[in-house]
Amino acid sequence: EVQLVQSGAEVKKPGESLRISCKGSGYSFTSYWISWVRQMPGKGLEWMGRIDPSDSYTNYSPSFQGHVTISADKSISTAYLQWSSLKASDTAMYYCARRSEYQLLYGGLYYYYYGMDVWGQGTTVTVSS
Amino acid sequence: EIVMTQSPATLSVSPGERATLSCRASQSVSSNLAWYQQKPGQAPRLLIYGASTRATGIPARFSGSGSGTEFTLTISSLQSEDFAVYYCQQYNNWPPEEVTFGPGTKVDIK
Repeated sequence: EVQLVQSGAEVKKPGESLRISCKGSGYSFTSYWISWVRQMPGKGLEWMGRIDPSDSYTNYSPSFQGHVTISADKSISTAYLQWSSLKASDTAMYYCARRSEYQLLYGGLYYYYYGMDVWGQGTTVTVSS
Repeated sequence: EIVMTQSPATLSVSPGERATLSCRASQSVSSNLAWYQQKPGQAPRLLIYGASTRATGIPARFSGSGSGTEFTLTISSLQSEDFAVYYCQQYNNWPPEEVTFGPGTKVDIK
């Protein structure tokens, strides 16, 4: 079974550091990018950034650049999201998701489309003094 | 940054009725658009990619259309399990990669 399993809920104080994880199984971990998505309480989805586990190349949303770090250890099929100094505003649910590539043929030409087809169960992070 | 908007914010529909959800991009995203469904307490689920292609296992009552800046998700006959929040998402693969979600449309029972 293809799945992403995330680490458990965390309760932290402002200023503390944190790293949460996302372990892939049932597929070739290095063949698919992993994205991280934030969902604040009662709010919508926000893309934070992504990593290519094959070479650890990362790309961040401008809204999250410099505030979090995404990394991966391909030897154990695990991606990470970390903070060096948490704030109360980091309180949210965090999801990892696998990006799949789809090849479609239209008019004799191939087009490539993408979707986040496998999601972790989410990790709740609560930051409170 | 490409901004995505969705309308309406909430759609009240009776079971068996048709639901039409709209998504608009602030600039053209071609067909680089996906739709997701999220139920309370669950992770999102991919419904549609490439604006109109159903993901694996998605029932035929879900259909997507549009290109450029205007997109639609249609649920032809709402089932009880379809009451959820629906998000559109654009992705731009030209470096740097850019992904943005719309604010979501909540489909609830009328």
